[in-house]
Amino acid sequence: ETGVTQSPTHLIKTRGQQVTLRCSSQSGHNTVSWYQQALGQGPQFIFQYYREEENGRGNFPPRFSGLQFPNYSSELNVNALELDDSALYLCASSPRDGPYEQYFGPGTRLTVT
Amino acid sequence: GQQVMQIPQYQHVQEGEDFTTYCNSSTTLSNIQWYKQRPGGHPVFLIQLVKSGEVKKQKRLTFQFGEAKKNSSLHITATQTTDVGTYFCAGPTGYALNFGKGTSLLVTP
Repeated sequence: ETGVTQSPTHLIKTRGQQVTLRCSSQSGHNTVSWYQQALGQGPQFIFQYYREEENGRGNFPPRFSGLQFPNYSSELNVNALELDDSALYLCASSPRDGPYEQYFGPGTRLTVT
Repeated sequence: GQQVMQIPQYQHVQEGEDFTTYCNSSTTLSNIQWYKQRPGGHPVFLIQLVKSGEVKKQKRLTFQFGEAKKNSSLHITATQTTDVGTYFCAGPTGYALNFGKGTSLLVTP
């Protein structure tokens, strides 16, 4: 059984740029959620995708957007990067949609300078 | 909106001592989940509690869901250095999981 994978591991971007982060869900899982984790904080829910549709969204502006593909993999896009976007971005997959057990990937560490 | 609060923020114990972290929600929860994140790692799902007053055990870890389904606790008996990490509780709100800020456990040998 393959776990959740994410790429890249680390990324450094400049304020105002755009970034795309990628995630492959665990085999057998059809739901993907994205979280932002600032240093010393718990993960904050960005959004969830199920059947290629956004299921639910946390308190994040529209410049955070996503996609889910037919193979259940997913992308997180962030436009017009701000310094406060520096964080660990975690992808989590689940065998069912909704707020159920999350299986997290290793994350992408984004630094915005 | 719903808030999930955890106490304490930090706990430093000697190996062999017990440890407890508490989680409180501002609203009634349909379930409560617990995760562990090792330093430099990612959160790992530990358990989900659903029923009022539910108690579940995983080896030295005991998880409890309050009768009112607004609070939960995680108790570790006889801590080991492998227990080091941050323990998060998380409660659902709509499709989202709302995580607490976590309790960081440090275990000294």
